[in-house]
Amino acid sequence: LAKTTQPISMDSYEGQEVNITCSHNNIATNDYITWYQQFPSQGPRFIIQGYKTKVTNEVASLFIPADRKSSTLSLPRVSLSDTAVYYCLVGAETGGGADGLTFGKGTHLIIQP
Amino acid sequence: NAGVTQTPKFQVLKTGQSMTLQCAQDMNHNSMYWYRQDPGMGLRLIYYSASEGTTDKGEVPNGYNVSRLNKREFSLRLESAAPSQTSVYFCASSEGYSNQPQHFGDGTRLSIL
Repeated sequence: LAKTTQPISMDSYEGQEVNITCSHNNIATNDYITWYQQFPSQGPRFIIQGYKTKVTNEVASLFIPADRKSSTLSLPRVSLSDTAVYYCLVGAETGGGADGLTFGKGTHLIIQP
Repeated sequence: NAGVTQTPKFQVLKTGQSMTLQCAQDMNHNSMYWYRQDPGMGLRLIYYSASEGTTDKGEVPNGYNVSRLNKREFSLRLESAAPSQTSVYFCASSEGYSNQPQHFGDGTRLSIL
């Protein structure tokens, strides 16, 4: 089971770039890295997923170094509406058991004006 | 396109009562999941169904039962509710099991008195 470690909370300001790092030292060869965002009173929402190097979509970028023992979610030019909890998950490929489905406490990102 | 629909949105039960939480998805996904989220905590997996006709225990299955009624529907049953089961329950679905982004419902807020 690839356990993940994230900062409990982070603060930033509108217009800044925010980087949230997740550690996953025991990541398996076939595991992907997935990030979710959760607003209060809502279910988590998928943001981005990657396996190695860099992935970018309209919302965020995901940077994964060659050893894949960590990953960084990058949110460009954040706004107040980006205040949320962000979860990093590392998935299991084989499907045998509930590996990779542990969300942990996530990172509470607070954006200030 | 509703995505994942959970009913009811809110419910108050007395200790010892039984209840079934309903979940339906319209994305033709193969896998479905039930999580609970307690204040200040991440999501914990209760049960999952990797494909129609199969169900498996997650991290916290005690006190719950599930039924994968068909490909669309996955229900969670509390046979004898206890105050410790007061929580927000989220249902999710994904195209396949493992390394597939999950789509979440808006949750059921359940209070056990």
